[in-house]
Amino acid sequence: GAVVSQHPSRVICKSGTSVKIECRSLDFQATTMFWYRQFPKKSLMLMATSNEGSKATYEQGVEKDKFLINHASLTLSTLTVTSAHPEDSSFYICSAGGSTNSPLHFGNGTRLTVT
Amino acid sequence: SQQGEEDPQALSIQEGENATMNCSYKTSINNLQWYRQNSGRGLVHLILIRSNEREKHSGRLRVTLDTSKKSSSLLITASRAADTASYFCATDGSGTSYGKLTFGQGTILTVHP
Repeated sequence: GAVVSQHPSRVICKSGTSVKIECRSLDFQATTMFWYRQFPKKSLMLMATSNEGSKATYEQGVEKDKFLINHASLTLSTLTVTSAHPEDSSFYICSAGGSTNSPLHFGNGTRLTVT
Repeated sequence: SQQGEEDPQALSIQEGENATMNCSYKTSINNLQWYRQNSGRGLVHLILIRSNEREKHSGRLRVTLDTSKKSSSLLITASRAADTASYFCATDGSGTSYGKLTFGQGTILTVHP
C-alpha cells in the first residue's frame, strides 16, 4: 500500500485564492520531504526541499512567497500555493523516505487547476 | 536543473515486443532510478541501480548503466498493454543531499494489444 499520502488528488480554485496540499508519510517519519511540479507531458522539476522544524530550501527560480512550505511534524509537509493564477495550474507531487541508494516514495500527486 | 535526456520521446510497439528506452545524464551520480507514471498519477519506482553496478534485473525489466558514457537503458521484455505509461529516469547526484532527484524528460510508451 501507499506509504506517502497526498491530498487532495484534484483541486479547482479561482484566481487569487490559496490552495493547500498535504503530503503525509504513513508509516515512517520523514525529516525531509520533496516537492515536485510537473507540466503536462513534461518531466518533474524539483521545487523545494521541505525540512522538518526549519525553513524549506527552494530551487532556483521558485518563488518562496508564492509556494509556502510548512513541515511542522515528522509525518506532514504542506505546500500552499498562494494567490493562485492560471499559470500555477499543474501537477504537484511530493516524495519522502528512502536513504542513500534507497528509493524515495512518491505521493499520487495533486492536479491543481486555477480558473 | 533538468539534466536527464531520454530517447525516444515516444515509443509505440505491439504486445509481445521488447521496448528499450535510453537515458543520458551530465554529472556524477550516486545512483540512477527508473520510474513509471500512468497518466495523471504518481510515480512508481521500478529499479535503482547504483553507480558501481552495470546491470540489474527485475522481472521483465533490465537496466544497464554506463557511467563512462553517463547513460542508462531500460529494457522491458515481452511487453503488455498494461505497460503503457510514461517512463522516467532520475539521477541522485553525488555531492548532493539524497532524495534531490533530477528527472529525465521521459519516454511515453504505448503498447498496442
